[in-house]
This record gives sequence, C-alpha cells and structure tokens, in this order.
Amino acid sequence: AQSVAQPEDQVNVAEGNPLTVKCTYSVSGNPYLFWYVQYPNRGLQFLLKYITGDNLVKGSYGFEAEFNKSQTSFHLKKPSALVSDSALYFCAVRDNGGYNKLIFGAGTRLAVHP
Amino acid sequence: ETGVTQSPTHLIKTRGQQVTLRCSSQSGHNTVSWYQQALGQGPQFIFQYYREEENGRGNFPPRFSGLQFPNYSSELNVNALELDDSALYLCASSLESSVETQYFGPGTRLLVL
Repeated sequence: AQSVAQPEDQVNVAEGNPLTVKCTYSVSGNPYLFWYVQYPNRGLQFLLKYITGDNLVKGSYGFEAEFNKSQTSFHLKKPSALVSDSALYFCAVRDNGGYNKLIFGAGTRLAVHP
Repeated sequence: ETGVTQSPTHLIKTRGQQVTLRCSSQSGHNTVSWYQQALGQGPQFIFQYYREEENGRGNFPPRFSGLQFPNYSSELNVNALELDDSALYLCASSLESSVETQYFGPGTRLLVL
C-alpha cells in the first residue's frame, strides 16, 4: 500500500537556525511528492513538489526539499528559520491508482522559538 | 491565498441530519477534490470530480456524495450524519495541464452533536 510517514510529531528550532522536517514514502513507480503547510484555522498551502529532475526542489517562502530515491525520503529544509514558519507541515504523495488522489502524512508541527 | 473558496466556514449539525458543503474552484481549474481532515490527522481523500463526473473515490461510504457544476463549482453532501463525521472538510482544485498540483480552500469545519 502507498503511504507517507512523518516520524516527528513536533520539531523545535531556534529562529535563525536551519530546520529539517522529515518525510519518507512508500509508493510503486516514480513518486510525485508534495509539501503543504497549514496555519491555524486555515486550509493547506502548497509549498513545493517533486515530479522529476533535480533532486533539490525549491519552493515558496525559502523552503526547499531534497528527494532521495535510495532512502525513499523527501525532507523539507530551510536554511534559516523564522518565527512565522511555525505551523503544521504535511508531506504527501500522489496515489498511482490512476487519478489525482493525494496521500498525506499525519503532519509535523514546527515550532520556531525566538 | 488561493482562489478556492468554501462555504460555510463553520457548521453545527446533529446526528442523522444531512449537510451540504460548497466550494468554488480557482478560475480555470476543472478538477476538484474533497478531503476530510479529522482533528490531529492528515487529510483523507473523499473523491474527485473532473468535468462534472466523479473519477476517483476514497474509502468513504455512499452517504458521502458530490456534484460538480458546469462553472466547476462543487458540492459535498453527507447524509445521515454520524459523530465521527466531525472534521474539517477541504476542497482542492487543479488545472488540467498541471493536475497533480492541488490548491486548497480554507475548509469548512463541521461539528456533529
């Protein structure tokens, strides 16, 4: 079965430090991978996606993600965290069942401390 | 902010009632998907519509149904509400040319008492 795992419920980082939010996936075939962010009482905002090409994908708000096929990982990174980055982050993979279903992880809460 | 809007923002219903949630897709987006996000969990796919036809469905019972209209707006209908239906319901739309990228609305929070 296709799935996404986000092993950390919460990540704490000091403002200005680099951050990493981890994601691993299990999918048959070539994966389409996504990161979304959710602020309180809001919907999901698209950050970035990997379909093919360069393993390092750049997205919105200074975020980037590194696709690693051998480790089946797609970790989200940012060189310097901001307090305003504090939110809930979801990794997702597209189901390869023939339509556009996204399978989400359980989410990781990022807390950036001043 | 995306151009996807949803109404209402909040809703309270009692068990056994029926509810209709509405979504207006971003301009030009002809594919819409609905997701259920229970508290503390990631969104779960309910179904997807393309050109007014359902073309994919997740593990949700038939009392969850939908419609897509010619202007690409959409409805999610849930009959015989159960307590476990309490959740945030998210609508997402995408362009046919880049269908894999889904843009989400702010959601409707449904509470079933």
